[in-house]
Amino acid sequence: KNQVEQSPQSLIILEGKNCTLQCNYTVSPFSNLRWYKQDTGRGPVSLTIMTFSENTKSNGRYTATLDADTKQSSLHITASQLSDSASYICVVEGGYNKLIFGAGTRLAVHP
Amino acid sequence: DVKVTQSSRYLVKRTGEKVFLECVQDMDHENMFWYRQDPGLGLRLIYFSYDVKMKEKGDIPEGYSVSREKKERFSLILESASTNQTSMYLCASSLGRFQTSRGHRDYGYTFGSGTRLTVV
Repeated sequence: KNQVEQSPQSLIILEGKNCTLQCNYTVSPFSNLRWYKQDTGRGPVSLTIMTFSENTKSNGRYTATLDADTKQSSLHITASQLSDSASYICVVEGGYNKLIFGAGTRLAVHP
Repeated sequence: DVKVTQSSRYLVKRTGEKVFLECVQDMDHENMFWYRQDPGLGLRLIYFSYDVKMKEKGDIPEGYSVSREKKERFSLILESASTNQTSMYLCASSLGRFQTSRGHRDYGYTFGSGTRLTVV
């Protein structure tokens, strides 16, 4: 069964600290993996998209990694800011352009 | 910038009412999607459309229908709203898989801001 699992479910960190969010997937065939940020009450906004051959991609303070062998991805946030408080959603595109969504990690950054 | 606009941010409807959720995109995207998002669950696909007047069922189409009369507009219809349809509804659009944007292949999806529907 195609699944995307994210951990932790929620996370609280202090402003300025780093954190890493995890995503494990069992989607086959695999086309690409995306990370989205979703602010409360808003739609998801794309952070990164990685294909099979890419194992790291950065977008400012966000760095995503992909290990296609172990089917794991991580999103690392450096020097967190209060505006990073949001849900982060891992999405895997499988066959026929089908997107499989993780349930998300809710991150709270406290001053 | 691609814009996907959903007509309402918040809606409250009564059980049994017919509900229309509207979505408009301004970038000539071929593909449009309707998802619902519930706490603890990932986004779940309700319906999608690859072209005008075309529609395909997603994973949870029961109780919903859609309409795509124009390329830029994709409507989600709840024929007879029920309390278990209380949810956040998200519209998204994307280019067709082999279309290009400024010479680059683009697989990205753009989401609207969502409509939080409450059925009482």
